Amino acid sequence: AQKVTQAQTEISVVEKEDVTLDCVYETRDTTYYLFWYKQPPSGELVFLIRRNSFDEQNEISGRYSWNFQKSTSSFNFTITASQVVDSAVYFCALSEAAGGSYIPTFGRGTSLIVHP
Amino acid sequence: EADIYQTPRYLVIGTGKKITLECSQTMGHDKMYWYQQDPGMELHLIHYSYGVNSTEKGDLSSESTVSRIRTEHFPLTLESARPSHTSQYLCASSLQGAGQETQYFGPGTRLLVL
Repeated sequence: AQKVTQAQTEISVVEKEDVTLDCVYETRDTTYYLFWYKQPPSGELVFLIRRNSFDEQNEISGRYSWNFQKSTSSFNFTITASQVVDSAVYFCALSEAAGGSYIPTFGRGTSLIVHP
Repeated sequence: EADIYQTPRYLVIGTGKKITLECSQTMGHDKMYWYQQDPGMELHLIHYSYGVNSTEKGDLSSESTVSRIRTEHFPLTLESARPSHTSQYLCASSLQGAGQETQYFGPGTRLLVL
């Protein structure tokens, strides 16, 4: 069974601080996919990134970066120089090829509050 | 920007009413999903579909039903709404196949049952 743990329920930072959101996953599959989604107060989930299990290269997109480490089963998300607009709930998700279903499992989410 | 739509965006109704939440996507995605979520909280998968005439129940037991007669349309129906159904309902879609499981979400329907 697949499982995603986001241990941080809520993080509060001041603007311009760097912040890292943790995601730890469990899976027995060798082929799987990891995702991060952002849910702003408007409610819609917005896709941020997808990473497959065979690609451990870290990724940077502007102020966002992701650190994928298979050795620790983690896929952490860092926001550099946070801004008020980054305030949202962030979800990590895992999709594995269990019989080809590819039904994603979501973590409970981490609420990020960035104060001006 | 994802082309997935949900109507209504907000709905306030009385107990016992039958309601249908609409979800449509124009991306030609095979898979569609319904999630129930209290604001800012965990997502609970209640239904999904692999394609036309396919519907499956998700992890969370739900008194709702779904249908998939057309690829682009995946409505969710509550035969008799109750206050416990008050929540946000999110629809999503994705392609089917290895590595294509990125989900695209609609804006959600916020339901309040009085």
